Amino acid sequence: LAKTTQPISMDSYEGQEVNITCSHNNIATNDYITWYQQFPSQGPRFIIQGYKTKVTNEVASLFIPADRKSSTLSLPRVSLSDTAVYYCLVVAGGATNKLIFGTGTLLAVQP
Amino acid sequence: DTAVSQTPKYLVTQMGNDKSIKCEQNLGHDTMYWYKQDSKKFLKIMFSYNNKELIINETVPNRFSPKSPDKAHLNLHINSLELGDSAVYFCASSQGGTSGTDTQYFGPGTRLTVL
Repeated sequence: LAKTTQPISMDSYEGQEVNITCSHNNIATNDYITWYQQFPSQGPRFIIQGYKTKVTNEVASLFIPADRKSSTLSLPRVSLSDTAVYYCLVVAGGATNKLIFGTGTLLAVQP
Repeated sequence: DTAVSQTPKYLVTQMGNDKSIKCEQNLGHDTMYWYKQDSKKFLKIMFSYNNKELIINETVPNRFSPKSPDKAHLNLHINSLELGDSAVYFCASSQGGTSGTDTQYFGPGTRLTVL
């Protein structure tokens, strides 16, 4: 599975849009990009998953360029409760269900 | 109506003891997992079971033995606990089990402290 690289930390203010970029240069044809969120003292929670172009749900949007070597998680109008660690993962469709978590990005939202 | 539950939430014990952590999911999922998150916050998969059968077994010491009495339960037994076993252990489950794209649902975690 492709290794992912993302910023260790980011700061934002309430009401701003936050974009977290993840690079995955060695992504394979059958791989998908998945993002999980982890609040302190809780287990990770699935946010969004995509293969290419753009995916949007009630929580976030995921932008994936044509070469798929990177992706951007976009959180619209963040609030204090969005302070968490965000993990970018590359997962293999139709293959093993092993999730490999990296270091994640600690997003700190300030008032 | 918790989806994935773990007991206990906190576990403090002495080196050399044997302890168990229990996990239950009421989502009707086929696959369950154990993950370990160490003090540096790295989250690593340890085991996964699909319909009570072991399908992923990462490089984990033999002191760790998962047991799945039915597909809704996956317990983790640890023998001869060591200081390095101190971590937060997360149980998770997913509907399928053969695809990396299956969403995994995590429990609240069990913080194990070995003294």
